[in-house]
Amino acid sequence: DGGITQSPKYLFRKEGQNVTLSCEQNLNHDAMYWYRQDPGQGLRLIYYSQIVNDFQKGDIAEGYSVSREKKESFPLTVTSAQKNPTAFYLCASSLLRDREVLTFGAGSRLTVL
Amino acid sequence: GQQVMQIPQYQHVQEGEDFTTYCNSSTTLSNIQWYKQRPGGHPVFLIQLVKSGEVKKQKRLTFQFGEAKKNSSLHITATQTTDVGTYFCAAPSGAGSYQLTFGKGTKLSVIP
Repeated sequence: DGGITQSPKYLFRKEGQNVTLSCEQNLNHDAMYWYRQDPGQGLRLIYYSQIVNDFQKGDIAEGYSVSREKKESFPLTVTSAQKNPTAFYLCASSLLRDREVLTFGAGSRLTVL
Repeated sequence: GQQVMQIPQYQHVQEGEDFTTYCNSSTTLSNIQWYKQRPGGHPVFLIQLVKSGEVKKQKRLTFQFGEAKKNSSLHITATQTTDVGTYFCAAPSGAGSYQLTFGKGTKLSVIP
């Protein structure tokens, strides 16, 4: 079955540590996205990528970094520069011609202690 | 940037009652999407509206796009416990943009 796999599902880290969240899709989608969700909030875009080796900042990119070395993979690193990293992180993908129709992964919940 | 305001933030209904959530924008939208997120789950795409005044139905769910393409609504008839979750609207941040702006969502609770 095609879909998006995010790992880990839960992650605990100490302050000051970098953390990398994995996102893999087998939908053959060109575009991939990272969103952050906080309680009672909508989804806010962190980074997105339309093509391999290219990505753009979203609304809240500060303190995050990404790479897109393969079409299937779009890992997100939460760096120590991110002031409030505890959140639910959602990876998504879409076709380029249908970029408003997102398929989401199950999410990764990061807690910084 | 583009903002979409969604109301209400919470709605508690008795099973069998109807439910409506509204999404409003100060600017004209090229299209609008609706997503549902079950408790503990991830958002799932429900529908896309593109045309002015468009109305689409999915069983007990009715989606509308305003004539001016600045507002949209999702109406659920005779709610069931399976309708529980948070409903989000989402619209492109600008013409041709890859960025979707999501509303803050309406959290629906259904009392059996």
